[in-house]
Amino acid sequence: GIQVEQSPPDLILQEGANSTLRCNFSDSVNNLQWFHQNPWGQLINLFYIPSGTKQNGRLSATTVATERYSLLYISSSQTTDSGVYFCALNAGNMLTFGGGTRLMVKP
Amino acid sequence: GAGVSQSPSNKVTEKGKDVELRCDPISGHTALYWYRQSLGQGLEFLIYFQGNSAPDKSGLPSDRFSAERTGGSVSTLTIQRTQQEDSAVYLCASTRAGGEQFFGPGTRLTVL
Repeated sequence: GIQVEQSPPDLILQEGANSTLRCNFSDSVNNLQWFHQNPWGQLINLFYIPSGTKQNGRLSATTVATERYSLLYISSSQTTDSGVYFCALNAGNMLTFGGGTRLMVKP
Repeated sequence: GAGVSQSPSNKVTEKGKDVELRCDPISGHTALYWYRQSLGQGLEFLIYFQGNSAPDKSGLPSDRFSAERTGGSVSTLTIQRTQQEDSAVYLCASTRAGGEQFFGPGTRLTVL
């Protein structure tokens, strides 16, 4: 099956810093999603981005499907950005999730 | 409702008992998925329903797990003779076919 790898696995930032999270995948995909799992466990949709670039406030994402990677950019990080960020790919009937990047933003 | 809802939010049960978990998808979404997230882990696919088609059960870990979807809407995941390794958060998602998946808040299952 499809392999999804995320890096880094853990990240600690000072409030206000910028960061880039990476998602590499092993096969062509129908779509790709980025999620933020908050400390209460809720999965929040960030981007639905099978290709190209999208921006939403301080967050943006780019997927280069031909090179099988996606990047999530977080600018001017805030403590509320803390949590786990997952990318997930749909290559069939379900989403296959990466292992996540655990982000902690310190005040 | 506006989003996917799940009940109960928490369930504590004794080893060997059966449990039922419920998912109400977003109105109009034809596809429904169940996933499981063990402590500190990523999400693992369990089962997929699309309209009136036969479900994709390829992710179910054992024959103690089953799920049904009634009337193309509400779904129930049943775990029979629960084991301690079944302890996890069970998440439901729904989508229009092939589209963006939206997740419910999950049911945290603890098997003592």
